[in-house]
Amino acid sequence: GNSVTQMEGPVTLSEEAFLTINCTYTATGYPSLFWYVQYPGEGLQLLLKATKADDKGSNKGFEATYRKETTSFHLEKGSVQVSDSAVYFCALCHSGNTPLVFGKGTRLSVIA
Amino acid sequence: EAEVAQSPRYKITEKSQAVAFWCDPISGHATLYWYRQILGQGPELLVQFQDESVVDDSQLPKDRFSAERLKGVDSTLKIQPAELGDSAMYLCASSLTGNEKLFFGSGTQLSVL
Repeated sequence: GNSVTQMEGPVTLSEEAFLTINCTYTATGYPSLFWYVQYPGEGLQLLLKATKADDKGSNKGFEATYRKETTSFHLEKGSVQVSDSAVYFCALCHSGNTPLVFGKGTRLSVIA
Repeated sequence: EAEVAQSPRYKITEKSQAVAFWCDPISGHATLYWYRQILGQGPELLVQFQDESVVDDSQLPKDRFSAERLKGVDSTLKIQPAELGDSAMYLCASSLTGNEKLFFGSGTQLSVL
């Protein structure tokens, strides 16, 4: 079946450090890939997405590239801020109304 | 900005009791989802509605869980009887365009004692 594997957290970084959160997936065909973010006390929000191989999703300084050859969708940011502290979830789905499948989440803490 | 509303925010109950959660999706969103998130895990879909119809409830434990969306707007998720293993965050989400972008509520944190 479809599944998503994320690097385990927590990840603690200093402000302005480079961030990478690894995500790999197992799925048939060509799923769409997503990163959702959950800030403390809030619901999950879509951060970015990519719907086909080699697509790059980007938002708020975050980027992730859909790599079909390595079945990966790693999240990156060049310079993190304290306000980026949150839990990040990688997810996938196939087209139409197939359910989103989430990874376990990676908690990021950024310290000043 | 419109939000998905959920209540209550927290619920503590004893095992074997009945509990109910309510969700009001963003106006105009035809698709509504209930997810369960166990601590340290990602959300897992319990049930998906398209308007008032159930699209997917394959992961819903139907012996104790039920969900309804009678008028195709707000929705209620019920557990009867609650068990210790039901302790989790219950998340409601809605979407306008299927699974391409979901909007989540803040969730109901359930503790079963």
